[in-house]
Amino acid sequence: DTEVTQTPKHLVMGMTNKKSLKCEQHMGHRAMYWYKQKAKKPPELMFVYSYEKLSINESVPSRFSPECPNSSLLNLHLHALQPEDSALYLCASSQDPLNVLTFGAGSRLTVL
Amino acid sequence: QKEVEQNSGPLSVPEGAIASLNCTYSDRVSQSFFWYRQYSGKSPELIMSIYSNGDKEDGRFTAQLNKASQYVSLLIRDSQPSDSATYLCAVGAGGTSYGKLTFGQGTILTVHP
Repeated sequence: DTEVTQTPKHLVMGMTNKKSLKCEQHMGHRAMYWYKQKAKKPPELMFVYSYEKLSINESVPSRFSPECPNSSLLNLHLHALQPEDSALYLCASSQDPLNVLTFGAGSRLTVL
Repeated sequence: QKEVEQNSGPLSVPEGAIASLNCTYSDRVSQSFFWYRQYSGKSPELIMSIYSNGDKEDGRFTAQLNKASQYVSLLIRDSQPSDSATYLCAVGAGGTSYGKLTFGQGTILTVHP
């Protein structure tokens, strides 16, 4: 299994909703990432988990809350988002930090 | 100065030509370098990784790294219309930012028949 699976593919939520994005990999990778990508822009790093511990937080607003329940799973909990948070959220994993990243297909989020 | 800068695009080349994509980075302790390709509406996919100075070839693709000049490039030989995409240079940080992968703004490549 060489895939990173993200669910849901599409999510529409209101500014008062609470939702979660999920990411799963079964490649034995020990680093997992969340990136945010706006249209016609490059991916922007949000969080890095290394060996299930949060190692990098790129000053992301607290309305985004990451969670790594185990080495295969990564969640991004969303609460009180703003319309400008609408974007493609990409999960990725790598064997270890600085190694090749494998990206999931992304979750396209729309905040109304 | 941006951390990772790519040559401005868009870049248009005829089918069969060589496409040349360039990238410079600011962090001298960067340790890993990647080229990703991204089709519209899709996630990035790895084209090449390079970790040491010199050239690395894989099929029609050649990556070049010059750490002294803080420069990475990607050559695509015999370009095909299917190569039309956005190419993203990514640089992995060392030091206190170990694990951080930063992308350049991307270069849009169009290969016309």
